[in-house]
Amino acid sequence: EAGVAQSPRYKIIEKRQSVAFWCNPISGHATLYWYQQILGQGPKLLIQFQNNGVVDDSQLPKDRFSAERLKGVDSTLKIQPAKLEDSAVYLCASSPGGTGEPQHFGDGTRLSIL
Amino acid sequence: QQQVKQSPQSLIVQKGGIPIINCAYENTAFDYFPWYQQFPGKGPALLIAIRPDVSEKKEGRFTISFNKSAKQFSLHIMDSQPGDSATYFCAAKAPNSGYALNFGKGTSLLVTP
Repeated sequence: EAGVAQSPRYKIIEKRQSVAFWCNPISGHATLYWYQQILGQGPKLLIQFQNNGVVDDSQLPKDRFSAERLKGVDSTLKIQPAKLEDSAVYLCASSPGGTGEPQHFGDGTRLSIL
Repeated sequence: QQQVKQSPQSLIVQKGGIPIINCAYENTAFDYFPWYQQFPGKGPALLIAIRPDVSEKKEGRFTISFNKSAKQFSLHIMDSQPGDSATYFCAAKAPNSGYALNFGKGTSLLVTP
C-alpha cells in the first residue's frame, strides 16, 4: 500500500512570503492531519479533517495559516505571510475513519524562513 | 503544556544492550499509546502501540510496558543494533478530543557497534 505522499520536500522562502504544501493520504483513509514539528520537539497538531470537514483547528494560527481538503482526498496547507518562527517540518498524516488509529505519517516538508 | 513527558532526552548504548525510554502522562482519559521511530529526513513511523487495559505488549524486539496506576509507560528495545539509532517519540490520544496525538519531546538513541 502506498504511503502518505507530500510535496515539496524542502522549501526556502523569505519572511512575509507565502508558501503552500500538498498532501495525498493513504487511499481510503478518511482522516487527515497536519502536524508541525519544530527542531528538537515532537509533532504538534495544526488541523484535522474528517473526510472534507474540519474536526479540530484549535491550534492553527488562523491569521496566517489556512488549509483545505479537496473532495475528501488531497489536502493543501498554506502560510501567508510567513514568519521566522514558522521554520519547521510540516508533516501530513492519515488514518482510517472511526478512531484515528493508527496514524501514518508522510516524510514532511522542511520549511526554512530567511 | 506538555501532556506527555518523555525521558531521557538522549541515550547511548552498546550493541546488544537494552535501551529503555520512559513516558509519563496526567490525562486519565488517554486510551491509546503509540511509539514512533523517526530517522533524519523521514517522517515518524509507527513501531508499536498499547491500550491501558494491557500491561505489556511485544512486537519483535520492541516491548511496551504500561503502568496504569502510575500513569507511566516505557519502550524497551531488546538486542539493540546500530540500525536502531534514531529518535523515538511516545504519544497518547484521548477518545473524546478528536484524534490528535499528543507527543513527547523525543529521545535521541545512539547504538554504538
